[in-house]
Amino acid sequence: ELKVEQNPLFLSMQEGKNYTIYCNYSTTSDRLYWYRQDPGKSLESLFVLLSNGAVKQEGRLMASLDTKARLSTLHITAAVHDLSATYFCAVDPNSGGGADGLTFGKGTHLIIQP
Amino acid sequence: GAGVSQSPSNKVTEKGKDVELRCDPISGHTALYWYRQSLGQGLEFLIYFQGNSAPDKSGLPSDRFSAERTGGSVSTLTIQRTQQEDSAVYLCASSLDLAGWVSYEQYFGPGTRLTVT
Repeated sequence: ELKVEQNPLFLSMQEGKNYTIYCNYSTTSDRLYWYRQDPGKSLESLFVLLSNGAVKQEGRLMASLDTKARLSTLHITAAVHDLSATYFCAVDPNSGGGADGLTFGKGTHLIIQP
Repeated sequence: GAGVSQSPSNKVTEKGKDVELRCDPISGHTALYWYRQSLGQGLEFLIYFQGNSAPDKSGLPSDRFSAERTGGSVSTLTIQRTQQEDSAVYLCASSLDLAGWVSYEQYFGPGTRLTVT
């Protein structure tokens, strides 16, 4: 059974600081996704990582994937209040095959204080 | 273009009643997924459709849950004899699933918040 673990689960940080959220998963996969969820809202796709060594950046967020270590990171640079949200990583267990349901981590609740 | 839509947005029902939740995927998306989000269990995958076919129904929590998709488009998730533990937000997602398209990025709808009293 695929397990996806995120840490930390809760993070309070100040504006302007840098931090990293970690996502470990238990079985081989080369498809990993990061989503953002605001309170009472649905999931917004942030990054799609499809190969070992993949790195993607959007604004102050950068995501990377190391399939050998079964680890993805979401790095926040010079955080701003608007980035406050819950961030989920999700793994597709069906590498190389068709689409399948995603297994999600528990989410990282991020609060950025002015 | 239009995203994934779901209805109703909120549903309050009495224990023991049946409910039907609807999902309208992005036009042209062949794959459709149902998930459930609750405080205790986080985000759980329930079932996936490729076209009108669901290859694996083992993610459905119990035999009170069923889902169908018709015309390769709209899907309904039906919960019979609802229980309080069914209270959750039910999310639908869709993706392109074409030969050679490997992204399988899933786009989520706004969800249906189900409360069983």
